Amino acid sequence: GDSVTQMEGPVTLSEEAFLTINCTYTATGYPSLFWYVQYPGEGLQLLLKATKADDKGSNKGFEATYRKETTSFHLEKGSVQVSDSAVYFCALLNAGNMLTFGGGTRLMVKP
Amino acid sequence: DAGVIQSPRHEVTEMGQEVTLRCKPISGHNSLFWYRQTMMRGLELLIYFNNNVPIDDSGMPEDRFSAKMPNASFSTLKIQPSEPRDSAVYFCASSPSGASTDTQYFGPGTRLTVL
Repeated sequence: GDSVTQMEGPVTLSEEAFLTINCTYTATGYPSLFWYVQYPGEGLQLLLKATKADDKGSNKGFEATYRKETTSFHLEKGSVQVSDSAVYFCALLNAGNMLTFGGGTRLMVKP
Repeated sequence: DAGVIQSPRHEVTEMGQEVTLRCKPISGHNSLFWYRQTMMRGLELLIYFNNNVPIDDSGMPEDRFSAKMPNASFSTLKIQPSEPRDSAVYFCASSPSGASTDTQYFGPGTRLTVL
């Protein structure tokens, strides 16, 4: 079945550092890929998405590129802020309309 | 525009009691999803409705769990009887059409504690 693997956290960075959170997936067909963010005590919010190979999703300084050849969708940001501290989830959506989530990666940004 | 609305936000109950969680999807969305989040198992899809009809309930853990969607603007997830292992955060999400490129929009969740 479909699966998503994320790097385990927590990831601790200083403000303005470069961020990469790795995400790889296993799926049949051509899924859409998503990054969701969950702030403490809140629900999941869509951060960005990509629906086909080589698409780049971007939002709020975050980027991820859909790499079919490496089955990856790594999340990057050039300069993180304290307000980016949250849990980040990589997910895929297959033709059956079921989101499969990775385990989540907690990011902590220190001033 | 209002997002997905869930109630209650927090629920504390005793083992054996019936629990009902409620969800109002975004107006105009045709698909609705119930998820459960725990530390041990992460985020799991429980059930998915399209146009008020249950399409996939393979994630529902057992017969104690049931979900309904009587109309396009309301859904319930019921646990009867509840058990301590049901303690989790339950999220409802909706999407516009159910297409595989659709974004699912999540509610704030209901934190359930079963004592």
